[in-house]
Amino acid sequence: DAKTTQPTSMDCAEGRAANLPCNHSTISGNEYVYWYRQIHSQGPQYIIHGLKNNETNEMASLIITEDRKSSTLILPHATLRDTAVYYCIVRSPSNTGKLIFGQGTTLQVKP
Amino acid sequence: GAVVSQHPSWVICKSGTSVKIECRSLDFQATTMFWYRQFPKQSLMLMATSNEGSKATYEQGVEKDKFLINHASLTLSTLTVTSAHPEDSSFYICSASALATGGWQFFGPGTRLTVL
Repeated sequence: DAKTTQPTSMDCAEGRAANLPCNHSTISGNEYVYWYRQIHSQGPQYIIHGLKNNETNEMASLIITEDRKSSTLILPHATLRDTAVYYCIVRSPSNTGKLIFGQGTTLQVKP
Repeated sequence: GAVVSQHPSWVICKSGTSVKIECRSLDFQATTMFWYRQFPKQSLMLMATSNEGSKATYEQGVEKDKFLINHASLTLSTLTVTSAHPEDSSFYICSASALATGGWQFFGPGTRLTVL
């Protein structure tokens, strides 16, 4: 599976949009981009995933560049409860299903 | 979404004893379950993948005789840490997936193990 690169940490003001970037320049054509987050001392929570089209759900939006080498997770109106570590993971649907976690981005939402 | 539970949520044990952690998928049948370990301020590290009714596949560097995994049913997998030592103290997280859930993983809340 392709490796991903994310900034170590980011801050965001409460109520503002949080934009979390992810680079996956070696992504293959059949690999999806998944985003999970982990609030302190809890299990990871699925947020969103996509292949090449932009995706939106009740939690977030996922913007994938046309060349698929990078993506951005957008939390439109960040709240204090969105403070967490956000993981961008690239995975092929044809593998065993395992997810390989990188270091992620620690998002701190500040009042 | 699909719900995965773990029991216990935390456990303290003496060095040399064995500890069993349960992972259950509550509202779906999980054909595959995964076990992760997470040390403080570090990311999740995959330990093993288990498919119901077959032997677990361990990641490189994970001792299969120390971390015994059983996936006897489609809703239950267990991880037993045998002869635990203080360096085994960690946060253990399981996840479960199935074709019925679109193939992606749902995670349990984690189990905090402290070995004295």
